[in-house]
Amino acid sequence: NAGVTQTPKFQVLKTGQSMTLQCAQDMNHEYMSWYRQDPGMGLRLIHYSVGAGITDQGEVPNGYNVSRSTTEDFPLRLLSAAPSQTSVYFCASSWGSGTSTDTQYFGPGTRLTVL
Amino acid sequence: SQELEQSPQSLIVQEGKNLTINCTSSKTLYGLYWYKQKYGEGLIFLMMLQKGGEEKSHEKITAKLDEKKQQSSLHITASQPSHAGIYLCGADMGSDYKLSFGAGTTVTVRA
Repeated sequence: NAGVTQTPKFQVLKTGQSMTLQCAQDMNHEYMSWYRQDPGMGLRLIHYSVGAGITDQGEVPNGYNVSRSTTEDFPLRLLSAAPSQTSVYFCASSWGSGTSTDTQYFGPGTRLTVL
Repeated sequence: SQELEQSPQSLIVQEGKNLTINCTSSKTLYGLYWYKQKYGEGLIFLMMLQKGGEEKSHEKITAKLDEKKQQSSLHITASQPSHAGIYLCGADMGSDYKLSFGAGTTVTVRA
């Protein structure tokens, strides 16, 4: 199993550009989520999905869109990039809700810089 | 402010010495996860604790959850260069589908 994969690994955008961060998992996990990691702030949940066709907002959803058309894929879209979105983005997946009874598996991350 | 407070923010330890990292919450922790992250890489799951007073060990790393389930500690015995990295605690604090994370502790092991 490849586990959780993310592409690209690095990306530089100009303010106002749009792009999609890709995330895929081959473990047949129902739950997938996107986090951003910023210095001194830990990981913050952006959006999550509990299954194909179902998505919901996390604590910092503004400026990001997601969709879940298949169990395997959970892309994150930046509609109009802003410097405040410079961060490291992690995708994670788990069997269930991703909380007390389910370990989340993380991808290697995407380092995004918005100029 | 962080729902989970980790301390210290960073530490430097001589190879062979022990170290302890703490993760504290004002709320009950229904599940507490410890992860390790190396620079430029994703998070690697270390351990999960659920019950008050629970303690788990893997190789030279021991994690404990206190009886009140509001604080956890991660202890590394006889540290090695392979222990260097960022350690993060994540916790289920009763919100569906959401783990809260601490800011992380950066560990440097000096030979």
